[in-house]
Amino acid sequence: GESVGLHLPTLSVQEGDNSIINCAYSNSASDYFIWYKQESGKGPQFIIDIRSNMDKRQGQRVTVLLNKTVKHLSLQIAATQPGDSAVYFCAEPRPSGYSTLTFGKGTMLLVSP
Amino acid sequence: DAGVTQSPTHLIKTRGQQVTLRCSPKSGHDTVSWYQQALGQGPQFIFQYYEEEERQRGNFPDRFSGHQFPNYSSELNVNALLLGDSALYLCASSRTSSYSGANVLTFGAGSRLTVL
Repeated sequence: GESVGLHLPTLSVQEGDNSIINCAYSNSASDYFIWYKQESGKGPQFIIDIRSNMDKRQGQRVTVLLNKTVKHLSLQIAATQPGDSAVYFCAEPRPSGYSTLTFGKGTMLLVSP
Repeated sequence: DAGVTQSPTHLIKTRGQQVTLRCSPKSGHDTVSWYQQALGQGPQFIFQYYEEEERQRGNFPDRFSGHQFPNYSSELNVNALLLGDSALYLCASSRTSSYSGANVLTFGAGSRLTVL
């Protein structure tokens, strides 16, 4: 079965709010995690990744936090904009190789103006 | 520079028919992976092609087959279509020799297959 999953299927926020999307994983040996954004009618787009030797990584308006103790990661989006509306997936490499991935079910983020 | 291109974008088939989907990888990429994304779900790995051979395979039946051509483009074939095969089929490309993380994976927009 899937080793990554998400807590909430839909998250609705107001423009300018900070958004937090959560993801749980089951394999304690997992050492690399990725967040993808998928807009309607498009393929998944890489947002940010994190390796297990880190507990936090920041990008432009996004931060990923990794808590290995409870096998949980989160994606934080600062000052959420309408253009951030999309489905967000966490993913991890399949055991057979880094260039193939196992995805969670996804969380839909809806940003209201 | 064109990214990953897939065709057709949409198609409708009936149960029992066969379908072929096509993918052209991003320039400079030599590895192609296919994913199936059912409505409301995350993509699921079908298989990966490198050097014209299937290198990895996910948990999909033999009705799903593929091919990679010398120019690195790829086809996904599905035989004896079932209603449950209705999904978005995504192609992702990468370069095996330089793979160092998911940030070098490029996904296409997908082919939406509806089986009636």
